[in-house]
Amino acid sequence: SYDLAQPPSVSVSPRQTARLTCSGDKLGDKYTSWYQHQAGQAPVLVIFKDSERPSGIPERFSGSNSGNTATLTINDTQAMDEADYYCQAWDRGTVVFGGGTKLTVL
Amino acid sequence: QIHLVQSGVEVKKPGASVNVSCKASGYPFSSYGINWVRQAPGQGLEWMGWISVYSGNTNYAQKLQGRVIMTRDTSTTTAYMELRSLTSDDTALYYCARGNPGVGASSYLDYWGQGTLVTVSS
Repeated sequence: SYDLAQPPSVSVSPRQTARLTCSGDKLGDKYTSWYQHQAGQAPVLVIFKDSERPSGIPERFSGSNSGNTATLTINDTQAMDEADYYCQAWDRGTVVFGGGTKLTVL
Repeated sequence: QIHLVQSGVEVKKPGASVNVSCKASGYPFSSYGINWVRQAPGQGLEWMGWISVYSGNTNYAQKLQGRVIMTRDTSTTTAYMELRSLTSDDTALYYCARGNPGVGASSYLDYWGQGTLVTVSS
């Protein structure tokens, strides 16, 4: 089975840049999406097709994907960005999620 | 506006089955897929499977093969997920999510239901 690895936690100071990584074999050959999941709410799509941003998602959110690593970058991180973030890709007709990264803004 | 509205809380005994519904509105139902995703307490997101609303074709996560069935009713724009032979490990928040476009390598989950809590306990 295909695995996506994410660091369990990342900490960032307010207004700084947070970089969340997602690693998988030849991940750069696949499309990667990113989801923000806050407690008690449904997940929200923040990046799709590696670097596309859905309407309503702030420009502070950006994505890239190359080689074996996809990266979600959050510029000017706000307290409201504190959440769990999951990367996702497709592999042989199935959806694969990473284990998630808890982003703490402190 | 696009909405996915799921059915309410379920409490089941081990060995029972549960059926969760997902009512879609605000878009052409047959033009997209529906995925089901669950989150057990303290765990991450786990993909359960998808259904192509247009064709009815399905693909299930290997660990759930034989226990899960996904269907849809295009006349009521509702998708269903049935999970059988429940154990305490199936206690989780269950989500439906729209696959755009449809299902496949370029697809992403752009709208999500509010979640349905399923508790399995004797």
